Amino acid sequence: AQKITQTQPGMFVQEKEAVTLDCTYDTSDPSYGLFWYKQPSSGEMIFLIYQGSYDQQNATEGRYSLNFQKARKSANLVISASQLGDSAMYFCAMRPYNTGNQFYFGTGTSLTVIP
Amino acid sequence: GAGVSQSPSNKVTEKGKDVELRCDPISGHTALYWYRQSLGQGLEFLIYFQGNSAPDKSGLPSDRFSAERTGGSVSTLTIQRTQQEDSAVYLCASSLGPQGANVLTFGAGSRLTVL
Repeated sequence: AQKITQTQPGMFVQEKEAVTLDCTYDTSDPSYGLFWYKQPSSGEMIFLIYQGSYDQQNATEGRYSLNFQKARKSANLVISASQLGDSAMYFCAMRPYNTGNQFYFGTGTSLTVIP
Repeated sequence: GAGVSQSPSNKVTEKGKDVELRCDPISGHTALYWYRQSLGQGLEFLIYFQGNSAPDKSGLPSDRFSAERTGGSVSTLTIQRTQQEDSAVYLCASSLGPQGANVLTFGAGSRLTVL
């Protein structure tokens, strides 16, 4: 079975501080991709960052980095130097490459950046 | 097109009526996905198309829901005899194909309200 778990329904962070959003996953597929999306209050889903299961290095995209711990099956998103515009829902997703092509999404974490 | 286009952006209908939601993916994207997002909730997978075929229909909640894709491009999600519990935002997403790091690009969604 494929599953994505985000255990933090809501998080608060002070502006300019770093924050980590947790994501764990479960899959029997040895090859998969991990994704993070941001959904502001306007509703659009914005792709942030991707990590492949065989990538040796943790992915980084500007202020976003993915803390990938394969043995623990975790793919936490780290946002550095938080900005007010980072306030949004954040969804972790996984796509197993050999068992269908569905993207599995977590239930999301609501992040609020406090000025 | 430049992005994933969905129409209508908002639809209010009466219980029992049929509705059609349209998705026009990014040109050249062979994979197309439909998701449903109820207020404040995560994404519920409905159906996935690769080209015109739907290898995974497992998420369709009932036989009132159907979807088709023609010409490897536009897709239509049809809900027959709508119920109040069908009220949600229906998100369409497309990707280049079922390989590797091909990310999902989402449309702005169609908000359905069933009275």
